[in-house]
Amino acid sequence: ETGVTQSPTHLIKTRGQQVTLRCSSQSGHNTVSWYQQALGQGPQFIFQYYREEENGRGNFPPRFSGLQFPNYSSELNVNALELDDSALYLCASSLAPGTSGGGYGEQFFGPGTRLTVL
Amino acid sequence: AQSVTQLGSHVSVSEGALVLLRCNYSSSVPPYLFWYVQYPNQGLQLLLKYTTGATLVKGINGFEAEFKKSETSFHLTKPSAHMSDAAEYFCAVTITGGFKTIFGAGTRLFVKA
Repeated sequence: ETGVTQSPTHLIKTRGQQVTLRCSSQSGHNTVSWYQQALGQGPQFIFQYYREEENGRGNFPPRFSGLQFPNYSSELNVNALELDDSALYLCASSLAPGTSGGGYGEQFFGPGTRLTVL
Repeated sequence: AQSVTQLGSHVSVSEGALVLLRCNYSSSVPPYLFWYVQYPNQGLQLLLKYTTGATLVKGINGFEAEFKKSETSFHLTKPSAHMSDAAEYFCAVTITGGFKTIFGAGTRLFVKA
């Protein structure tokens, strides 16, 4: 059973650029959530995808968007990067409520992508 | 709306001493409660969870937590700290059947030799 993987590990961009971060969910998981973790803070919920549709969203602007693919891998896209977007971006996979063996909100996290915006 | 408050951004204990990390939550519906640990430059790892049933839950690495509804608390404890416990700990809440998990700001645990 493979765990959650993310790529790239580190990324440096300049203000105004666009970035795509990638996540491969744990085998068998059908739900993926993305979080932003600024330095010294807890993870902040960006959004969640289930069955390739956005299932819920936190307080992030539309320039944060995502995709979930049929194989449950996922992308986080951020347009028009700002300095405050510098953070660790975490992907977490889980089983949706109603799925056999799932439904309790337990999430499995990847190691994250460290994004630096200059 | 849900919220999570972790009391103390930093906690320092001696090796072998009791570890107590405090977490209080706010939720209008029965929550699922979690503790995660994060080591430097790594993602989060689940320590333990409360969903339903027994209010005292045991997790990995000797940690346990007790759900106290009357106090809206879910404090994390370990009887004897080990140097390897030094890390950042996050308390989190998800409403039952919900999609959104709210994390606390985290408590960094230091263990002195």
